[in-house]
Amino acid sequence: EAGVAQSPRYKIIEKRQSVAFWCNPISGHATLYWYQQILGQGPKLLIQFQNNGVVDDSQLPKDRFSAERLKGVDSTLKIQPAKLEDSAVYLCASSLDRAATNEKLFFGSGTQLSVL
Amino acid sequence: AQTVTQSQPEMSVQEAETVTLSCTYDTSENNYYLFWYKQPPSRQMILVIRQEAYKQQNATENRFSVNFQKAAKSFSLKISDSQLGDTAMYFCALGGANSKLTFGKGITLSVRP
Repeated sequence: EAGVAQSPRYKIIEKRQSVAFWCNPISGHATLYWYQQILGQGPKLLIQFQNNGVVDDSQLPKDRFSAERLKGVDSTLKIQPAKLEDSAVYLCASSLDRAATNEKLFFGSGTQLSVL
Repeated sequence: AQTVTQSQPEMSVQEAETVTLSCTYDTSENNYYLFWYKQPPSRQMILVIRQEAYKQQNATENRFSVNFQKAAKSFSLKISDSQLGDTAMYFCALGGANSKLTFGKGITLSVRP
């Protein structure tokens, strides 16, 4: 079974530039999550999709971050414009369903973003 | 709001020995779940073990077991017969029926040969 695919693996940009990350979840997984992991901290949920609808985006800085999952499969996360404090690893995860909160999350390998 | 605290930033253990990683949490929910995730240098987080709060019996998965103390809101992970491949960051996480999954800051575990 293929895992959660993310690209790119690394990205270096200058502040005020824009960047986009891509995620393809495990086939059949209805729920997709984007997490931000700043160095030395645990992952923080940015946005959660159930199929192509947003379930939770309460911690997404909507003035600069956007995300979409148009066909309920793969997803993109965009930052425009980037700030120095956006330097982090961006993890994508998926699960079969959100109804049961003991659902096992499957994570991708993340994109490490450095904003200079 | 729910919180997860991992107060030890790092630990080291000799190969084949046993190590315990600590975690405390706080939540107002009655129905919640606790997890330990492992993050190796590859960055891909992997579920190690999970515990439903309504279950009194501590979860076990091969060399991994937990000590769940509900009254004390403590959820520690014990790794027996430590192996070099156990070297990673370990995150404690808390999820509830009405709340998102919250992770602790993590602990770096090094297994020495």
